[in-house]
Amino acid sequence: SAVISQKPSRDICQRGTSLTIQCQVDSQVTMMFWYRQQPGQSLTLIATANQGSEATYESGFVIDKFPISRPNLTFSTLTVSNMSPEDSSIYLCSAGNSNQPQHFGDGTRLSIL
Amino acid sequence: QQQVKQSPQSLIVQKGGISIINCAYENTAFDYFPWYQQFPGKGPALLIAIRPDVSEKKEGRFTISFNKSAKQFSLHIMDSQPGDSATYFCAATRRRGTDKLIFGTGTRLQVFP
Repeated sequence: SAVISQKPSRDICQRGTSLTIQCQVDSQVTMMFWYRQQPGQSLTLIATANQGSEATYESGFVIDKFPISRPNLTFSTLTVSNMSPEDSSIYLCSAGNSNQPQHFGDGTRLSIL
Repeated sequence: QQQVKQSPQSLIVQKGGISIINCAYENTAFDYFPWYQQFPGKGPALLIAIRPDVSEKKEGRFTISFNKSAKQFSLHIMDSQPGDSATYFCAATRRRGTDKLIFGTGTRLQVFP
């Protein structure tokens, strides 16, 4: 199964700033996804990162707030823009192929002061 | 129709006992049903998964039972161990690996010696 690495593992940021989270997969994958997990809660999909085209966002999430890049088949970034305390959460990257279920990284724990 | 309902929210089991977590779904287009195990500070790890054409799948102490007509599936952990103490999420997707996962709300399992 694919091994997924996320950086940073955690960060504390000031209100109004932006943070870019990186997700690296050790093999080429068809699909990459970004999820958010509030502490003690379940996972909610933010968007699907499409290689070579714009990301597909779920209802309630917009590109201006969560811009996503996917320059190749092993790497993606999620930026959390103009952060507020409500953005304090765990952000998780996952990856999968048609012959391989989704696997997750260990997440980025983000706190906004 | 996109929801996956999970119960119980928390579960306390004695070592050696059986842990049972239940999930239900509405969308008949779902074609793959994974279970993820999450330890504190870690990302969800795929535990076991099933497709709707199979009624049961067993891997070691973990068994999924699937009832297609009732649109329900459950995870059974036999001979539960303290090391099994974690949060368990059921999920559903239309396509293994390449479509978004819809997660249940999670079950926090505590196994006492």
